[in-house]
Amino acid sequence: NAGVTQTPKFQVLKTGQSMTLQCAQDMNHNSMYWYRQDPGMGLRLIYYSASEGTTDKGEVPNGYNVSRLNKREFSLRLESAAPSQTSVYFCASTRSHGGTEAFFGQGTRLTVV
Amino acid sequence: QKEVEQDPGPLSVPEGAIVSLNCTYSNSAFQYFMWYRQYSRKGPELLMYTYSSGNKEDGRFTAQVDKSSKYISLFIRDSQPSDSATYLCAMSDTGNTPLVFGKGTRLSVIA
Repeated sequence: NAGVTQTPKFQVLKTGQSMTLQCAQDMNHNSMYWYRQDPGMGLRLIYYSASEGTTDKGEVPNGYNVSRLNKREFSLRLESAAPSQTSVYFCASTRSHGGTEAFFGQGTRLTVV
Repeated sequence: QKEVEQDPGPLSVPEGAIVSLNCTYSNSAFQYFMWYRQYSRKGPELLMYTYSSGNKEDGRFTAQVDKSSKYISLFIRDSQPSDSATYLCAMSDTGNTPLVFGKGTRLSVIA
């Protein structure tokens, strides 16, 4: 029972480089989310997908794009990484949008130098 | 003002102590109230959730919601070193919007 799987777990990027964070869930959940977590800032929502085929901006979407590839997979892309995007990124899923039990992945620790 | 306010701590208590963690919120539409626990270098996991006002107990953990004061609490009885983690409150309205999280309170239980 894998739950929510994120890849990679760690990444170091140079300023201006691009990368895609991958997320997959095997619980047949409809809704998926991308958060970033910074010291003293808590979890901040970047983008979410309430259902397959839809995506919406969260609290801090600038500098990011997302793709809901299918029901299982939701990717986050940094087109031109900046040091301000150094953070821990979490993907989460819920059975339905706004559902009470969110399942989180293990996180991706990203450093932009 | 953020929708959800939570004291980030850190909070350090001796083993066996009663711990009280709290959140306040401003959105009266919130109906579902949750507590997540996050161990170091892991993703958050749901600990408890409560619908509307009242108390809910699960072993050593008790969640309380006071909607009239827009205040929620998590009590941990007989705290253990294994309870050392960051505790995040989260809230949801009718289910059509994403969960809103507090910043989390870091708890250390010292043996």
